[in-house]
Amino acid sequence: DQQVKQNSPSLSVQEGRISILNCDYTNSMFDYFLWYKKYPAEGPTFLISISSIKDKNEDGRFTVFLNKSAKHLSLHIVPSQPGDSAVYFCASDTANAGKSTFGDGTTLTVKP
Amino acid sequence: ETGVTQSPTHLIKTRGQQVTLRCSSQSGHNTVSWYQQALGQGPQFIFQYYREEENGRGNFPPRFSGLQFPNYSSELNVNALELDDSALYLCASSLSGTPGETQYFGPGTRLLVL
Repeated sequence: DQQVKQNSPSLSVQEGRISILNCDYTNSMFDYFLWYKKYPAEGPTFLISISSIKDKNEDGRFTVFLNKSAKHLSLHIVPSQPGDSAVYFCASDTANAGKSTFGDGTTLTVKP
Repeated sequence: ETGVTQSPTHLIKTRGQQVTLRCSSQSGHNTVSWYQQALGQGPQFIFQYYREEENGRGNFPPRFSGLQFPNYSSELNVNALELDDSALYLCASSLSGTPGETQYFGPGTRLLVL
């Protein structure tokens, strides 16, 4: 039973447009949600997170939205840049950090 | 501040053998977690160590074991390797293991079991 799901394996957008990456979860005990970005041959890099008590968190071009009733979160990248092309992982934490449950990732391609 | 490093980068073993993977955490980070990432999937939590003690374990058999040392290095040991153990193994360090704390990942060790 996969507790964190990223249903879109890939997404392609034009440079300058908005990228929206989605993530669904089933475990209502998750306290934190995190997004990581991964380039080939590198480990995942933390991008942005949100606590379950919030519904939005913004950091520059990146905004994460959390809809607890729908058990859904999304990452918005505006404007998208070619350097954003990577695999994006959604992850969820319970009260103990470092035990993140990851989705299978979405490969984002931003075309110039 | 140096990043998280892992060695070796690639490794080929045969079924039934044993393997040791190494990780060097960021200085001052007391928590290290290990993940297995199979092809096309997200990282799966193996276990976590905090100040040299195991602090949680995922759904992996006992032949997966680990050690954490006072110098911020750690090891993942896998005995009796199986073909399905072929994957990218990632370690991640964090300061204290506080909920929602950022983890810093190494580049991983890619293990192939033949």
